[in-house]
Amino acid sequence: EDKVVQSPLSLVVHEGDTVTLNCSYEVTNFRSLLWYKQEKKAPTFLFMLTSSGIEKKSGRLSSILDKKELFSILNITATQTGDSAVYLCAVGGNNNDMRFGAGTRLTVKP
Amino acid sequence: DAGITQSPRHKVTETGTPVTLRCHQTENHRYMYWYRQDPGHGLRLIHYSYGVKDTDKGEVSDGYSVSRSKTEDFLLTLESATSSQTSVYFCATGEWTYNEQFFGPGTRLTVL
Repeated sequence: EDKVVQSPLSLVVHEGDTVTLNCSYEVTNFRSLLWYKQEKKAPTFLFMLTSSGIEKKSGRLSSILDKKELFSILNITATQTGDSAVYLCAVGGNNNDMRFGAGTRLTVKP
Repeated sequence: DAGITQSPRHKVTETGTPVTLRCHQTENHRYMYWYRQDPGHGLRLIHYSYGVKDTDKGEVSDGYSVSRSKTEDFLLTLESATSSQTSVYFCATGEWTYNEQFFGPGTRLTVL
């Protein structure tokens, strides 16, 4: 059965810290891996990765995919309180759907 | 942002009653999805549609049905609501499968 596992489930850091969020997957016929940020509303898109070893970057956020080891990481540098959110990983596989992980709840304290 | 609206935004109902949630999009996206979100489970796919009158089951489809008679509307029906269906329901759309999905604001459903 397809599955997506995120770790840690929750994380508390202070402003300025760097964090790494993990997403591992077992999906039949991998097509893509996406990261979303969810504050107190709907998820919003961050990155989509399809090729191994190519880093996607947007400001202080970056992500990379390892298709051999079946995982991705999301890095956030110089964290700010506005980064506090649940970060979701989703993987597209054999069907026309996306399998989501349970999410990592990040809390950034001033 | 894709123009996606959901109605109602909040609903409280009783066990055994039928409930219909509506998702409306203005982006003409081919794909539409219904998810439920519960603590500890992330988002779980209920049903999805890949075109008008073309739908398929997702991971947690039992107790739910869907219909899509127009590109812009995707309805989710709980034929006889149960307390286990208390959840937040999100609709999403996408131009292509396996790509970015755009989410609606969510509907909080409580089944007493």
